[in-house]
Amino acid sequence: QKEVEQDPGPLSVPEGAIVSLNCTYSNSAFQYFMWYRQYSRKGPELLMYTYSSGNKEDGRFTAQVDKSSKYISLFIRDSQPSDSATYLCAIEETSGSRLTFGEGTQLTVNP
Amino acid sequence: DVKVTQSSRYLVKRTGEKVFLECVQDMDHENMFWYRQDPGLGLRLIYFSYDVKMKEKGDIPEGYSVSREKKERFSLILESASTNQTSMYLCASSQGGSQGRRGTEAFFGQGTRLTVV
Repeated sequence: QKEVEQDPGPLSVPEGAIVSLNCTYSNSAFQYFMWYRQYSRKGPELLMYTYSSGNKEDGRFTAQVDKSSKYISLFIRDSQPSDSATYLCAIEETSGSRLTFGEGTQLTVNP
Repeated sequence: DVKVTQSSRYLVKRTGEKVFLECVQDMDHENMFWYRQDPGLGLRLIYFSYDVKMKEKGDIPEGYSVSREKKERFSLILESASTNQTSMYLCASSQGGSQGRRGTEAFFGQGTRLTVV
């Protein structure tokens, strides 16, 4: 069983839709939860991070963590074509250590 | 502007060749990582290094070795390239030690698409 599971999609939505991206993890020792965004032919870039259960909001993006269910989500409101990318969840046990990535979900937002 | 630079964007090598992939970062980061990214498998960690001359195996180290002689440079070596090592290779760096409750921000290079024929 993979330590981090993520539905790879692809996911295609119309502009303005609410997008929900999800990951599950198996190791209860994981403490830090991140979402990276990767545009085509580029390396991933950090989008959001959180370390506690609950929601964290940044503009149109909301990261949600449920440690009891070992489930993390990223919501994108009012999705834009510029949001079209692959979104990877990343989790680590202690800050400054190695990251474990999900497979990535490929998102396309259609104008 | 922070930067992780990989020496090549595209490489084509023959089976059995020794291949060097170079990565340089200018952020004085302690940690450096090599991943490969394949469809259906995502990002998988090959090797990582927490300090100069230190290295640790990741999840898929077989067929690879690494070298970190200077803090800013981390090299991935394919001792004898095989077709199953055709992949996108991504180098990353991050600040070492505890960052409190922030989690690690890893900075990635643009990637090297390696084809072994």
